Amino acid sequence: GQQVMQIPQYQHVQEGEDFTTYCNSSTTLSNIQWYKQRPGGHPVFLIQLVKSGEVKKQKRLTFQFGEAKKNSSLHITATQTTDVGTYFCAAPASGGSYIPTFGRGTSLIVHP
Amino acid sequence: DGGITQSPKYLFRKEGQNVTLSCEQNLNHDAMYWYRQDPGQGLRLIYYSQIVNDFQKGDIAEGYSVSREKKESFPLTVTSAQKNPTAFYLCASSKITGGPSNEKLFFGSGTQLSVL
Repeated sequence: GQQVMQIPQYQHVQEGEDFTTYCNSSTTLSNIQWYKQRPGGHPVFLIQLVKSGEVKKQKRLTFQFGEAKKNSSLHITATQTTDVGTYFCAAPASGGSYIPTFGRGTSLIVHP
Repeated sequence: DGGITQSPKYLFRKEGQNVTLSCEQNLNHDAMYWYRQDPGQGLRLIYYSQIVNDFQKGDIAEGYSVSREKKESFPLTVTSAQKNPTAFYLCASSKITGGPSNEKLFFGSGTQLSVL
């Protein structure tokens, strides 16, 4: 099935530094979703990108979908301790399926 | 409040024992899913269901079984055939729409299963 590769696996930052996680696919994606999972919690939907080259912002979070719809990124400006958690991208499996396949996630650790 | 409820929060399994994890949703969603989460592995799909009395295997269905007798409920049984069941199990639900957009997943709070 569709595989989405997510990097890095872990990222340590000092509070106030920026953070970026990347999601890559070898095939064109119809859409991509991003989720955040706080430590000890469950994944919570953040956003969905559908259009080629799409950029969406949520306060300090910026989400991008590549022109070829094969990659996506989540960038956090000036991280805060509340940003701690694991960020997952998810994309439909191949063959027209709507079932989301998740990347392995990037765990963000913010040092105060 | 609408949502998706998983129980129990923690579950312990003895060798050779089957255990069942509960998942209930009152969001009127057609689709329900079970994912398994291991550290560093992300979420892997076990089973999913689009409609009552129908379900499909995901990527790691071996050693698991499900049922979908009611729209609101999608219990997962971890059988004795699953030799490495220790993991965090997440149930999710969503609407189903066609086209390039997928409906977002709503997750339950999860069940941590451990082997005694």
